[in-house]
Amino acid sequence: DQQVKQNSPSLSVQEGRISILNCDYTNSMFDYFLWYKKYPAEGPTFLISISSIKDKNEDGRFTVFLNKSAKHLSLHIVPSQPGDSAVYFCAASASGGSYIPTFGRGTSLIVHP
Amino acid sequence: DGGITQSPKYLFRKEGQNVTLSCEQNLNHDAMYWYRQDPGQGLRLIYYSQIVNDFQKGDIAEGYSVSREKKESFPLTVTSAQKNPTAFYLCASSMRVNYGYTFGSGTRLTVV
Repeated sequence: DQQVKQNSPSLSVQEGRISILNCDYTNSMFDYFLWYKKYPAEGPTFLISISSIKDKNEDGRFTVFLNKSAKHLSLHIVPSQPGDSAVYFCAASASGGSYIPTFGRGTSLIVHP
Repeated sequence: DGGITQSPKYLFRKEGQNVTLSCEQNLNHDAMYWYRQDPGQGLRLIYYSQIVNDFQKGDIAEGYSVSREKKESFPLTVTSAQKNPTAFYLCASSMRVNYGYTFGSGTRLTVV
């Protein structure tokens, strides 16, 4: 049973436009959420995180939105650049549990020049 | 330069052989983790360790073993009992659990 779901395996966007990557979770105990970016044959790198006490966190071109009532978060990339082409993983953890993040299956983003 | 090193990057083994994947970190992180990535599967936790000489099973520990004799090192052994060992293996570390992860660059294991 997947507790963190990324329902879109892939997303294709034109350079300069907005990329929106979505993530849904089922465990109401999750209170800390992270996004990681991964290039082929490399390890993931941390991108941005958000705590459940917030509904938005921004870092340059990257913004993460959290809707706790819908158990949904999204990562917005504006403007998208070809170098953003990668697999993006959503992860969630519970401070009242084991703390170990549970990862989604990832969304492959392709940004076309 | 602090980081986490996995070696080798590519590894080939014959079916039935045990193989050990290396993971070393010089970040002074307490916690270390092993994940497996398969196409379309995301990252699945194999084992993790929060302190030296202690480790816990993750979601898919069967067929794997680990040790944590030193803070810097967390090797993973893929045993012959692992039915589908061919995968991309990622090691990670964090200051403590529920802190941001630093990942290694991964080892692609192919069993033939």
